[in-house]
Amino acid sequence: GAVVSQHPSWVICKSGTSVKIECRSLDFQATTMFWYRQFPKQSLMLMATSNEGSKATYEQGVEKDKFLINHASLTLSTLTVTSAHPEDSSFYICSARAHRGTGLTDTQYFGPGTRLTVL
Amino acid sequence: AQSVSQHNHHVILSEAASLELGCNYSYGGTVNLFWYVQYPGQHLQLLLKYFSGDPLVKGIKGFEAEFIKSKFSFNLRKPSVQWSDTAEYFCAVNALYGNNRLAFGKGNQVVVIP
Repeated sequence: GAVVSQHPSWVICKSGTSVKIECRSLDFQATTMFWYRQFPKQSLMLMATSNEGSKATYEQGVEKDKFLINHASLTLSTLTVTSAHPEDSSFYICSARAHRGTGLTDTQYFGPGTRLTVL
Repeated sequence: AQSVSQHNHHVILSEAASLELGCNYSYGGTVNLFWYVQYPGQHLQLLLKYFSGDPLVKGIKGFEAEFIKSKFSFNLRKPSVQWSDTAEYFCAVNALYGNNRLAFGKGNQVVVIP
């Protein structure tokens, strides 16, 4: 149980284009999903927290107009990197925290990550 | 905001050696504590967690961690490592009251030599 998937696993795009990354909780409902960015040999940096049906909460320094987050259902959140630039190249990881009553609460389960390369 | 410290970023040891990774956090309130592992080329997996109760927590693959509240620590241990334990290990803390977000340490890169 508690499986989180991400799609795509890797993507290469041209500078100026937009890229959408999907995060799905496959076998549980997630009231909250988190988006992280991981640089090589560094820890995870939280970008934003999204709750189903409401606007995402962004961390300081993260541009909400550049990193659009939608959490339309209890099993799906999307991150759209708009007008991507080479400095946006990174490893993006999502996690999901289960809805109360599932027995999985208070633990974040992570997706496999999406490697974004912007040329 | 809470912060998490992990020391000795790079650890190299031989098979059958014992492993201990330190984790200290700075938050005075009630916390949930986690250790995640990231094997090469794979995603983060939960190794073990502590919410309450017995401060000695046993996780998967022979790992255990001890919560010492007075020291704000949650150190990870394994008595005898295997080559397959080569991975990056992250300690994470979730403050129960406040922003309720997960704060990660910088990780420990562990290499086990066969």
